[in-house]
Amino acid sequence: DQQVKQNSPSLSVQEGRISILNCDYTNSMFDYFLWYKKYPAEGPTFLISISSIKDKNEDGRFTVFLNKSAKHLSLHIVPSQPGDSAVYFCAASVGSNYKLTFGKGTLLTVNP
Amino acid sequence: GAVVSQHPSRVICKSGTSVKIECRSLDFQATTMFWYRQFPKKSLMLMATSNEGSKATYEQGVEKDKFLINHASLTLSTLTVTSAHPEDSSFYICSARTTGRIQETQYFGPGTRLLVL
Repeated sequence: DQQVKQNSPSLSVQEGRISILNCDYTNSMFDYFLWYKKYPAEGPTFLISISSIKDKNEDGRFTVFLNKSAKHLSLHIVPSQPGDSAVYFCAASVGSNYKLTFGKGTLLTVNP
Repeated sequence: GAVVSQHPSRVICKSGTSVKIECRSLDFQATTMFWYRQFPKKSLMLMATSNEGSKATYEQGVEKDKFLINHASLTLSTLTVTSAHPEDSSFYICSARTTGRIQETQYFGPGTRLLVL
């Protein structure tokens, strides 16, 4: 039973355009969501997070949107750069539990 | 951001031997560390939660006698794969949870690639 789902295994965009990565979850107890970026044979790098009390969090080129009613969150990267090419994981946790449940990841390729 | 290191980055061993992987938080103290395992083209799967000074909490299906975890200090946790077999070959990643910050999150180590022959 996959509680965090990233239904698009891959996404390809042109440099300078917007990248939108999507994530759905089924566990309504999740109240903290994170996005990680991962290169092959490396550990994930934290990008941005959002608490369930918010619906938007922005950090530079990265913005995360949370729609609790739809149990959906998305990561927007604008403008996209070739260096953004990596696998992006969506993760969620329940309050103070801090155990992260990860999605399967989406491979983003930004073409020059 | 916070820095977490892992050692070794890569290890090849014979079947039946034990392998120890270290995870260190370099610039912060981590009362809680996590150990994950990633299979090719799969998500990260949490194996266990390591708490400083107490026994680790293992996820369902993870053999605690096979994957020994020790969290002896606020900056070091170790995972020992005992009597390793080829099916234990995988990418093992640790993370450390920061404390005392407004925004709680986990910072990951670079991972350890284990190949059991």
